[in-house]
Amino acid sequence: DQQVKQNSPSLSVQEGRISILNCDYTNSMFDYFLWYKKYPAEGPTFLISISSIKDKNEDGRFTVFLNKSAKHLSLHIVPSQPGDSAVYFCAASGVGDNDMRFGAGTRLTVKP
Amino acid sequence: EAQVTQNPRYLITVTGKKLTVTCSQNMNHEYMSWYRQDPGLGLRQIYYSMNVEVTDKGDVPEGYKVSRKEKRNFPLILESPSPNQTSLYFCASSLDPGNEQFFGPGTRLTVL
Repeated sequence: DQQVKQNSPSLSVQEGRISILNCDYTNSMFDYFLWYKKYPAEGPTFLISISSIKDKNEDGRFTVFLNKSAKHLSLHIVPSQPGDSAVYFCAASGVGDNDMRFGAGTRLTVKP
Repeated sequence: EAQVTQNPRYLITVTGKKLTVTCSQNMNHEYMSWYRQDPGLGLRQIYYSMNVEVTDKGDVPEGYKVSRKEKRNFPLILESPSPNQTSLYFCASSLDPGNEQFFGPGTRLTVL
């Protein structure tokens, strides 16, 4: 039972345009959400996070939006750069959880 | 440099031959975890450890063992590997389970 879902396995955008990666979750007890980025032959690295008390968090070109009523979050990358090409994982955890739940990942390709 | 190291990075073995994948972190993190990454399934947790001598099962623990005798090390043991354990394995550590996790570079295991 996947509690965190990324329904788009892949996304391709042109350099300079916006990339929007989506993530849905089913567990209403999740209160902390993260995005990780993974390059080939490397482990995932933390990108940005958001707490459930917020609906937006911004860090440079990366913004995460959280819609709690829809149980949906999204990662916006503006402007997209070829170096952003990677697999992006959405993750979530709840208070008292002993683990973090990950989505299946979305492969982003940014074309020059 | 803060890091999580895993060894080996690549391993090809045969069914039934016991193997150990080592994991070590230098950040004094209490929480450590093992994941496997499979196409379309994302990162699934195998085992986790809240502290020395405290380990517990994740979502897919069958066929795996772990130990946590020292804070920095968290080896993953496959007593009798089978082909369905062919996967990409990641070790991770963090201050606590709900926080940003630091991942190792991954171990690609093939069981013939």
